[in-house]
Amino acid sequence: GENVEQHPSTLSVQEGDSAVIKCTYSDSASNYFPWYKQELGKRPQLIIDIRSNVGEKKDQRIAVTLNKTAKHFSLHITETQPEDSAVYFCAASPASGGSYIPTFGRGTSLIVHP
Amino acid sequence: EAGVAQSPRYKIIEKRQSVAFWCNPISGHATLYWYQQILGQGPKLLIQFQNNGVVDDSQLPKDRFSAERLKGVDSTLKIQPAKLEDSAVYLCASSKGLAGAKYQETQYFGPGTRLLVL
Repeated sequence: GENVEQHPSTLSVQEGDSAVIKCTYSDSASNYFPWYKQELGKRPQLIIDIRSNVGEKKDQRIAVTLNKTAKHFSLHITETQPEDSAVYFCAASPASGGSYIPTFGRGTSLIVHP
Repeated sequence: EAGVAQSPRYKIIEKRQSVAFWCNPISGHATLYWYQQILGQGPKLLIQFQNNGVVDDSQLPKDRFSAERLKGVDSTLKIQPAKLEDSAVYLCASSKGLAGAKYQETQYFGPGTRLLVL
C-alpha cells in the first residue's frame, strides 16, 4: 500500500517568513495530492490540491509543487500570518476502480509567532 | 449547502462495551469515508464506500469494527467490543465521486466524534 512521510513534524516561523512542508510517497500510481489544514479541535479542511499532470499550483499565498520522478511534493506558504498556525496534513491518493484511496502523512504543526 | 453531519460529538465508554457512530454526508455525494485520527497523527482510512458498496476496507479491524451504508446515504460505524487503543477521533468525510465523466475527489470532513475508552 501507499506510505506517506511528512517533514518536519513541527515548524516555528516568525510572522512574514515563508514556511515549507515536504512529503514523500511510495506508490507511483498515486495521482492526486491534497493538503489539509486542521486547527485545534476542528475538522481538516482542504487548502490546495494538485494532480499528477501538473508540476505546480498556486493560490494566493499558498503553492504546492510536485516532483513525480522523485515522488515528493511540497507545500509553500509565503508571508505567514498568526492565523496560519495549525496542523497541516499531506495526502497521496492512487486511483483504484474509479475511486481514490487516500493515505495521510503524520502532520506538521506550524507555529507562526507575531 | 449543509456540511457533513456526525453524531454523537463525544462518547465515553468502558472497555469491552460497544459504541456506534453515525454520519450523514453532503447531499448527492456518492463516496463516503470513515477515518480514525489518533492524537498527534494523521487520519487513517478505515473504510471507503462508493454509494452502498465498499471500495476499500483493508485497514478496518474487522474482528471488532463494522460499518454499513444502507441505501447509499447515511452510514454507521460500530465498535464491539471497544479497547483502550480505540480512543481517537472518528472522522467521516464525503466526496462527489464519479460525476459524469470526471471523478470529483475533493473530500469534505465532518466535525468528528471524540471517543474515550476507559
